[in-house]
Amino acid sequence: KAGVTQTPRYLIKTRGQQVTLSCSPISGHRSVSWYQQTPGQGLQFLFEYFSETQRNKGNFPGRFSGRQFSNSRSEMNVSTLELGDSALYLCASSPARTSGRPTDTQYFGPGTRLTVL
Amino acid sequence: QKEVEQDPGPLSVPEGAIVSLNCTYSNSAFQYFMWYRQYSRKGPELLMYTYSSGNKEDGRFTAQVDKSSKYISLFIRDSQPSDSATYLCAKRNDKIIFGKGTRLHILP
Repeated sequence: KAGVTQTPRYLIKTRGQQVTLSCSPISGHRSVSWYQQTPGQGLQFLFEYFSETQRNKGNFPGRFSGRQFSNSRSEMNVSTLELGDSALYLCASSPARTSGRPTDTQYFGPGTRLTVL
Repeated sequence: QKEVEQDPGPLSVPEGAIVSLNCTYSNSAFQYFMWYRQYSRKGPELLMYTYSSGNKEDGRFTAQVDKSSKYISLFIRDSQPSDSATYLCAKRNDKIIFGKGTRLHILP
């Protein structure tokens, strides 16, 4: 079974631009979560989508948004990019919504490395 | 105070040694604890999860939870160079909160 794929793998943008990142989950997985990883803050939760609806959200400004399509593929958008948005953006998929059950294992993709100049 | 605290390292140990990785957490309202391993240029992968105090063993890896002191540990026995990676601890309820990760180097 193919793993989680993310495109593009690397991206360079300038301040003020916007960017869209794409995530294709493992076949059959309906939950997609997005994370931002930086050396200073570590891995931080952005949001989770399940059945095309945002189910949970982290503490990020409204410039960060996302959506999920009927085939479970997800996109994340960042508008008005800032230098501090430079990070590795990771997507993770699981069969069900994130809950207290560890059996809902999340499988991470390789990430998109975003550099904002 | 962050909900999950983890020493970033780096931690360097000789091959074959026992490795001890540790985290503390501050909020008791959660259910499960997890350890992830992340190789360079890869996404994290789940190593182990546990929810009760005590030890859980899986091959060379042992996860330990002490809820009274809010301390979680990962022990790696007979460490190998291939264990060199960043190890992230996490706690989970309706979302997953990660520590910043500890970089581990196993020296051949």
